[in-house]
Amino acid sequence: RKEVEQDPGPFNVPEGATVAFNCTYSNSASQSFFWYRQDCRKEPKLLMSVYSSGNEDGRFTAQLNRASQYISLLIRDSKLSDSATYLCVVGRGTGNMLTFGGGTRLMVKP
Amino acid sequence: GAVVSQHPSWVICKSGTSVKIECRSLDFQATTMFWYRQFPKQSLMLMATSNEGSKATYEQGVEKDKFLINHASLTLSTLTVTSAHPEDSSFYICSAWGSSSYNEQFFGPGTRLTVL
Repeated sequence: RKEVEQDPGPFNVPEGATVAFNCTYSNSASQSFFWYRQDCRKEPKLLMSVYSSGNEDGRFTAQLNRASQYISLLIRDSKLSDSATYLCVVGRGTGNMLTFGGGTRLMVKP
Repeated sequence: GAVVSQHPSWVICKSGTSVKIECRSLDFQATTMFWYRQFPKQSLMLMATSNEGSKATYEQGVEKDKFLINHASLTLSTLTVTSAHPEDSSFYICSAWGSSSYNEQFFGPGTRLTVL
C-alpha cells in the first residue's frame, strides 16, 4: 500500500465548477500536510499547508482529519488556469521529509 | 519564498557517461537538501536526503554508488549520475530545507535528463 494515496483522475470539469480531491495517508507519525500543484514538466509548487482546523485561501479550502488520516482539497469556481496535477504531500521528521501522493490531474474546460 | 536553482535545466548524454546536477539555495542556508526523481506520469520519489557535511541517506532501491551526492556547503548539493543508462532518463528535482524554513521545503526547477 502506498504511504499517500490519491485518486489519479483525471477530473474533467467545466469552468465555474466546484471540485473536491481526497487523499489518505498511512503513517500516523506524519506531522505536516500540504497540497502542491504541479504543471506539466515543472517542479511542484506549494499551494497551501493543511491544518486540523481547516484553512481557506481564496477559492481553495483544505481540511485535515488526523483521526481518519484523511486530507481534502476543495476548489470553488474553477478557472482554466487551475488545470494541473494536485499533489497531496505529508511530512515528518527533522528536515520535514516529504512523501508525495501520486497526484490528481484536473482539467478545467471552457 | 526562498529561491533554489538547479543546473543544468536539461541535459542529453550518451549511455555510459556521467552527469552532474547542481542544486543551490540562493538566499538561505540549506541544512538539508533532498533529491527526487520523477518518471513520466508518476509522482516524485525521494532518492536521498543529504545534510551538509554528512554522507547522504539513500532510500531503499536507490544505488548510492550510482547516484553520488555531495553536500559540501550550506548552499550547494550535487547529484552525479554515474555511467548513465537510458533507464536513468527522468526529471530530477532537488529541494532545500533550513532551520529558518519552518516546515517548508523549497524546490528547484528540476533537471530533465535524457540518456541516449
